[in-house]
Amino acid sequence: EAGVAQSPRYKIIEKRQSVAFWCNPISGHATLYWYQQILGQGPKLLIQFQNNGVVDDSQLPKDRFSAERLKGVDSTLKIQPAKLEDSAVYLCASSLGLRDIEAFFGQGTRLTVV
Amino acid sequence: DQQVKQNSPSLSVQEGRISILNCDYTNSMFDYFLWYKKYPAEGPTFLISISSIKDKNEDGRFTVFLNKSAKHLSLHIVPSQPGDSAVYFCAALNQAGTALIFGKGTTLSVSS
Repeated sequence: EAGVAQSPRYKIIEKRQSVAFWCNPISGHATLYWYQQILGQGPKLLIQFQNNGVVDDSQLPKDRFSAERLKGVDSTLKIQPAKLEDSAVYLCASSLGLRDIEAFFGQGTRLTVV
Repeated sequence: DQQVKQNSPSLSVQEGRISILNCDYTNSMFDYFLWYKKYPAEGPTFLISISSIKDKNEDGRFTVFLNKSAKHLSLHIVPSQPGDSAVYFCAALNQAGTALIFGKGTTLSVSS
């Protein structure tokens, strides 16, 4: 069974530039999550999708972050414009359903904003 | 406001001995807890979980204990192996029961 795929693995951009991350969840997983992990911290939920609908985006900085999962499968997370404090690892995870507690994580995208 | 706290950033243990990783939480409404393990440059992987209706769950070398009155849980690894060296995250399922709230993690180093 293929795991959660994320790309790119690494990205370096200048502040005020834009960047996008892509995630392909495990086949058949209806629930998709984007987490932000800042160095020295645990992952923090940014947004959660159930199929193509948003379940929770309460911690997503909506003035600069956006995410979509148009066909209920893969998803993109965008930052525009980036700030220095956005430097982090962005983790995508998926689970079978909304109340399936075990989430499977991708390797993450390490973003450095300079 | 940290709802899940792992107060020990690191732990060093000798191979064959017991590793005990601790976690505290503040929200008494949490009813499911999980431990994830993370190796460098990889995403976290699920290790073991426990429901609040239990006080212990065991899976091979890994046992999680839950003390609801103290709002405390711990992960015991016996015996510890060098391959267990990783960052361990404690997580609680949010009140909606839909997403995880993570602690900051504890880095475990097991020496041979």
